[in-house]
Amino acid sequence: GQNIDQPTEMTATEGAIVQINCTYQTSGFNGLFWYQQHAGEAPTFLSYNVLDGLEEKGRFSSFLSRSKGYSYLLLKELQMKDSASYLCAAADTGRRALTFGSGTRLQVQP
Amino acid sequence: DTAVSQTPKYLVTQMGNDKSIKCEQNLGHDTMYWYKQDSKKFLKIMFSYNNKELIINETVPNRFSPKSPDKAHLNLHINSLELGDSAVYFCASSQRLAGGLEQFFGPGTRLTVL
Repeated sequence: GQNIDQPTEMTATEGAIVQINCTYQTSGFNGLFWYQQHAGEAPTFLSYNVLDGLEEKGRFSSFLSRSKGYSYLLLKELQMKDSASYLCAAADTGRRALTFGSGTRLQVQP
Repeated sequence: DTAVSQTPKYLVTQMGNDKSIKCEQNLGHDTMYWYKQDSKKFLKIMFSYNNKELIINETVPNRFSPKSPDKAHLNLHINSLELGDSAVYFCASSQRLAGGLEQFFGPGTRLTVL
């Protein structure tokens, strides 16, 4: 089966760095996605990792360890507009679909 | 130049009614999906279609019937609506049917069943 775990809520300060963790269990693993979802809006793509290591994209970075079934999303120089839910999703070759975690709601405070 | 569009954005209806949600993508993608996001924010796959062919049907009651007239459209018809159907329904598309491809989401349809 598929199982994705991530913290429900996090709070951080504007300008700081925050790391959102995600652990997954899935058969036929085919990569790990991070999506951002602002309240009342659609999820939007942030990153995709299929190989171990760190992928950097501006203020956002995502890390994957396949052997540990673990990923994190790192947000640097936090801005108020980064307040949103961050969804971790695992892809699998069998179902050819994404399994999403429940999302981590990040609140950025002044 | 909207990529994935859905109508309506809001739908309020009585229990027992039948309703439809429409989805269109202008990205030239082969694969389209329907997701349900409940009050706890879990985003769960319901259906996926690839070139008008049903690929995934995830333990969804048969009151829900997707229809894909062409690969740019995937509509969702719901019969005999129940209170538990209240949720936000998202349509999405990807270039083709491969788990490692980015999915593009529509704006969502908030369904409220009274």
